[in-house]
Parts: sequence; structure tokens; C-alpha cells
Amino acid sequence: AQTVTQSQPEMSVQEAETVTLSCTYDTSESDYYLFWYKQPPSRQMILVIRQEAYKQQNATENRFSVNFQKAAKSFSLKISDSQLGDAAMYFCARSGSARQLTFGSGTQLTVLP
Amino acid sequence: DVKVTQSSRYLVKRTGEKVFLECVQDMDHENMFWYRQDPGLGLRLIYFSYDVKMKEKGDIPEGYSVSREKKERFSLILESASTNQTSMYLCASSYSTGASSTEAFFGQGTRLTVV
Repeated sequence: AQTVTQSQPEMSVQEAETVTLSCTYDTSESDYYLFWYKQPPSRQMILVIRQEAYKQQNATENRFSVNFQKAAKSFSLKISDSQLGDAAMYFCARSGSARQLTFGSGTQLTVLP
Repeated sequence: DVKVTQSSRYLVKRTGEKVFLECVQDMDHENMFWYRQDPGLGLRLIYFSYDVKMKEKGDIPEGYSVSREKKERFSLILESASTNQTSMYLCASSYSTGASSTEAFFGQGTRLTVV
């Protein structure tokens, strides 16, 4: 099975600081999507950001941005000016030609006041 | 907004019971998914469907089956519930561009406890 790896089970960040969550994946395809999802205690999965593999430009959504390194198969999420509401479990995911979405094991982010 | 609705938020069933988890989406998405979420393991794909009456096994299909008779509805069936199927179950839907799935939209999850 093609895998998505999140090597940081837990991270913490001080409010207003910047944090980077790591994700690596494997694939033999050239056309795919990458995603970061947030899951707060309410359990609702929320899409944070998406990246299309054919686009070289890194995606940005307000305080959230990615560093997409296609050759290295790396897709990290940077959260700037962290807020208490950013505390959640974050999942990295990849889609591919089989239409499946494969998720990593998640990173629990704590934001310290 | 896309809405994916799961029939129950919490469910308690007895070992050996047949359990149905229902999921409905309102955005005419062709792809629908059932995931199981356990601490430290992330989301693991049980089954997915890319069209009515079509289904594909995911990474952990054993002990589960699915049904998709209508495009908007995707059911997960536990034929004979066991305690190791106690978990959080998440339903999702998505559309495709070309051969790839775009982002998935999720239901609120069903926490199933088998006693």
C-alpha cells in the first residue's frame, strides 16, 4: 500500500509563534493531490489546504502554507501566528489514480497560551 | 456547502449483532469512502465506491461489507460485530478530476462500541 508518513505524533507551539508539521509520502504517479486536514475535539474533519502535484507554486490559505518538495516527496504545513483555535489533530493525505485517499497517522498540535 | 451526514453519532451494539452505519451526501459526488480511525493509526480505508453498485476494498476490509444502491447513500455493514471493531467510523465523499480524487468532505463520525 502506498503510504503517508507523519513522523511527529505530538507538537506544541506558543501562541503567536510559527510551527511546521512534517509529512512524507510515496507514489509512483505524477498526477495527484495532497491535503492537510484538521480535526478538532468536535471530531469534524476540516480541510485546511490542498496542493495539486503539477503546480510548482506552494499553496497558501491565510496563516497556513505548505512547503511542497515533489522530488523529495515531502509536504509540510506551516502555521503562522498560531492561535488557540489551531489546537487539533492534523492529518496529511494523498490522492492518486486509484481515487483512494490515503492518510497519515496524524500530529496532535497543542497551542500554549 | 457540502453536507455528509452519518446516521448516528454514538452507537452501542452487542457482539454478534449485524450493524448498519449509514451515510448520505448531498453534492452528487461520485466517490464515497468509509474509514476507521483509531489512536496512533490515523484513518484507515475500509471500502470505497466510485459509482452506484461499485465498490473497492481498502486496506482493512475484513469483517465489513458495503452497499451503494443510490449515488447519495453509502452503507457500511458489520456482518457480526466483534469487540475489535469498537472504533470511530468516518464517512466521506469526493468528486474526481481525471483519474484522481479531489478533497474529501467528511461526516461527523460515528463512535461505535461493541460490548
